[in-house]
Amino acid sequence: EAGVAQSPRYKIIEKRQSVAFWCNPISGHATLYWYQQILGQGPKLLIQFQNNGVVDDSQLPKDRFSAERLKGVDSTLKIQPAKLEDSAVYLCASSPGVAGGEGETQYFGPGTRLLVL
Amino acid sequence: SQKIEQNSEALNIQEGKTATLTCNYTNYSPAYLQWYRQDPGRGPVFLLLIRENEKEKRKERLKVTFDTTLKQSLFHITASQPADSATYLCALAGSSASKIIFGSGTRLSIRP
Repeated sequence: EAGVAQSPRYKIIEKRQSVAFWCNPISGHATLYWYQQILGQGPKLLIQFQNNGVVDDSQLPKDRFSAERLKGVDSTLKIQPAKLEDSAVYLCASSPGVAGGEGETQYFGPGTRLLVL
Repeated sequence: SQKIEQNSEALNIQEGKTATLTCNYTNYSPAYLQWYRQDPGRGPVFLLLIRENEKEKRKERLKVTFDTTLKQSLFHITASQPADSATYLCALAGSSASKIIFGSGTRLSIRP
């Protein structure tokens, strides 16, 4: 079974530029998550999708971050314009989304490492 | 505000001993708690899930306890090995996997 795929793996941009990250979840997984992980900290949930609807985006800085999940499969996360403090690893995760059992288990991708100069 | 704390940034123990990691939380009523392992440069990997009505869960050399009165979870690795060296993260979630929050992690080092 293929895991969660993310691209690019690394990105270096200058502040005020825009950047986009792509995520392909495990086939059949209904729930998709985007996290921001700053060095030395745990992942912080940015947005959670159930199929192609948003479940939670309370911590997404909506003035500069946006995310979409078209057709309930792939997802993109965009930052426009980027700030220095956006330097972090952006992790995508997916889960079956079925309550009970191990349905809430999250499977993480390798992450995209963003450096904003 | 909701808060989750892991007892220490780093823990160093001798091979063969039991490693015990702590996760405490406040202002949260989780439906379940999870533990993940994260190696440098990689995404977290799921280890164990324990629900609010469960006291203990085991998987091979791993054991998790969950005390909703103390608002604390303990994560044990018995007969620890150098290969267990990694950062361990705890995560809380509400019903329907909502309001997920992660701790900052404990970096565990097992010395031979």
